[in-house]
Amino acid sequence: QITLKESGPTLVKPTQTLTLTCTVSGFSVSTSGVGVGWIRQPPGKALEWLALIYWDDDNRYSPSLESRLTITKDTSKNQVVLGMTNMDPVDTATYYCALRPSGYPGDCWANWGQGTLVTVSS
Amino acid sequence: EIVLTQSPGTLSLSPGERATLSCRASQSVSIRYLAWYQQKPGQAPRLLIYGASSRATGIPERFSGSGSGTDFTLTISRLEPEDFAVYYCQQYGNSPQTFGQGTKVEIK
Repeated sequence: QITLKESGPTLVKPTQTLTLTCTVSGFSVSTSGVGVGWIRQPPGKALEWLALIYWDDDNRYSPSLESRLTITKDTSKNQVVLGMTNMDPVDTATYYCALRPSGYPGDCWANWGQGTLVTVSS
Repeated sequence: EIVLTQSPGTLSLSPGERATLSCRASQSVSIRYLAWYQQKPGQAPRLLIYGASSRATGIPERFSGSGSGTDFTLTISRLEPEDFAVYYCQQYGNSPQTFGQGTKVEIK
């Protein structure tokens, strides 16, 4: 059974850097063809894709947020880490990590974590 | 980037009825890389359809997807009580991938 679990702070102050960790179980993030991504959802709003890292460490970022984002992978811990600098109250959202398994063509998200709500407030 | 417009915003139907949800792209979606997700309150999204028309693992046959180019449709043949939720389309054929704003299917 594949599970993903996000962890990190629930409250950050404006201008701080957010660091979120996605721990994957039941599937290796280094398996050929696998991708792990981050998607966020402000309260009551739509989904927004943020970043993606592939099994070979190739990565992609949302152009509108690229300057603030860093995504990395720790194969030994089977984890993916997202960093977002200069947090603002508009970044308040539930942050999801999701898995694109090797059996699916293209970057659609077959498995999701439960999400973690991050509030940006002083 | 490709903008996805979903319609209607809200669909009010009764159990047993047919639901037809639309997703229109601002430009052609490459390789029919269009997915549909279902999201219930307080839950993560669940992948229903990928590649415009392929059902994901464990998804009932009452869910079907169709379309190509800029116009895509999700059809739920007969609504079950558990199908009342918000549905999002996602295009992942053109970078950056983008999501629509969602269609809420509510009980009439």
